[in-house]
Amino acid sequence: GDSVTQMEGPVTLSEEAFLTINCTYTATGYPSLFWYVQYPGEGLQLLLKATKADDKGSNKGFEATYRKETTSFHLEKGSVQVSDSAVYFCALSPRTSGTYKYIFGTGTRLKVLA
Amino acid sequence: EPEVTQTPSHQVTQMGQEVILRCVPISNHLYFYWYRQILGQKVEFLVSFYNNEISEKSEIFDDQFSVERPDGSNFTLKIRSTKLEDSAMYFCASIQGADGYTFGSGTRLTVV
Repeated sequence: GDSVTQMEGPVTLSEEAFLTINCTYTATGYPSLFWYVQYPGEGLQLLLKATKADDKGSNKGFEATYRKETTSFHLEKGSVQVSDSAVYFCALSPRTSGTYKYIFGTGTRLKVLA
Repeated sequence: EPEVTQTPSHQVTQMGQEVILRCVPISNHLYFYWYRQILGQKVEFLVSFYNNEISEKSEIFDDQFSVERPDGSNFTLKIRSTKLEDSAMYFCASIQGADGYTFGSGTRLTVV
């Protein structure tokens, strides 16, 4: 079945460091791909999305490119801030699902130190 | 910006009791969902709802669970007889199309 695999956390970085959080997926067809962020004590917020191969989603300095050949959607940011400390979830929505159901990865906790 | 509203933010209940979690989705959205997140674990799909009926449900969503849209605005999740393992964060979400969910801030359910 469809699935999402994220790199294990926690990831600890110093402020202004480069961030990569790996996400790979298994799906039938061409799913839509998403990154959600969960700040402490809060719900899930959509960070960025891509709906077809080679699309690049971007928001708040974060980017991710839909790579069909490697079935990946890695999240990157050039210079992280303390305020980026959160849990990041990669998710896919199968095209075969008429209900827009999402399948989430396990989440990667990011901690940024000043 | 439109929001999905969930109440209560935290509910403590005794094992075996019924609970109702409430959600007000965004008014022009068509699809509604419940997900849950057991502490520190992945976010899991429970159920989707469209056109006043369940369109898909997971294995987790057994006979103890039900959903309802009793009026034009509320969307509820009922757990008939809670178990300890139902303790989790429950998120409501809504969507109009393929743009990406808007999630509520969640209800933390603690079963004691």
